[in-house]
Amino acid sequence: EIVMTQSPATLSVSPGERATLSCRASQSVSGNLAWYQQKRGQAPRLLFYGASTRATGVPARFSASGSGTEFTLTISSLQSEDFAVYYCHQYDNWPLTFGGGTKVEFK
Amino acid sequence: EVQLVETGGGLVQPGGSLRLSCVASGFTVTSNYMSWVRQAPGKGLEWVSVIYSGGFTNYADSVKGRFTFSRDTSKNTLYLQMNSLRAEDTAVYYCARALYFDYWGQGTLVTVSS
Repeated sequence: EIVMTQSPATLSVSPGERATLSCRASQSVSGNLAWYQQKRGQAPRLLFYGASTRATGVPARFSASGSGTEFTLTISSLQSEDFAVYYCHQYDNWPLTFGGGTKVEFK
Repeated sequence: EVQLVETGGGLVQPGGSLRLSCVASGFTVTSNYMSWVRQAPGKGLEWVSVIYSGGFTNYADSVKGRFTFSRDTSKNTLYLQMNSLRAEDTAVYYCARALYFDYWGQGTLVTVSS
């Protein structure tokens, strides 16, 4: 099983600041990596797939990069609606696995 | 418009059974991988099972032998039959489309408790 490790677990950021979230895979997942945003009481929302392809409707302040075992999600200027939990997910191998999540909270 | 609507959750005793349904609209369930993903209260996301477009199924080790993923193509509906339920199966269960989960349902809560 591929273990996905996200860091940090919690990120305290002020509105307007930049946030950088990391995701590391225990073995290469090539570019088969997705990112999700989940707000309290809601289903996750796809942000990126293929490591860096933005999903429909995702604002341009979100960007993602990486390949192999190291991946990054960046929010260039945090807005109030961006405070949420973010998960990475590899779909390169079975079983599909998720990272433990990074909570982006108000500083 | 793509929509996924899950139903069937509830309170069940340990060892009991429950069947979840996921009605899809806006696409056909046979055209994509479809998965069940669960989230225990206050915890992260866990993939549970997948059904391929051709009907093959795969399961997480934690549910293998207890859960069965099936579909009714005439109703464009997916099912998750859950048997021998345990306390650790308590979670919100989501159905989701494709391998990189581009659409999710709203989820249905399953509580396993005596």
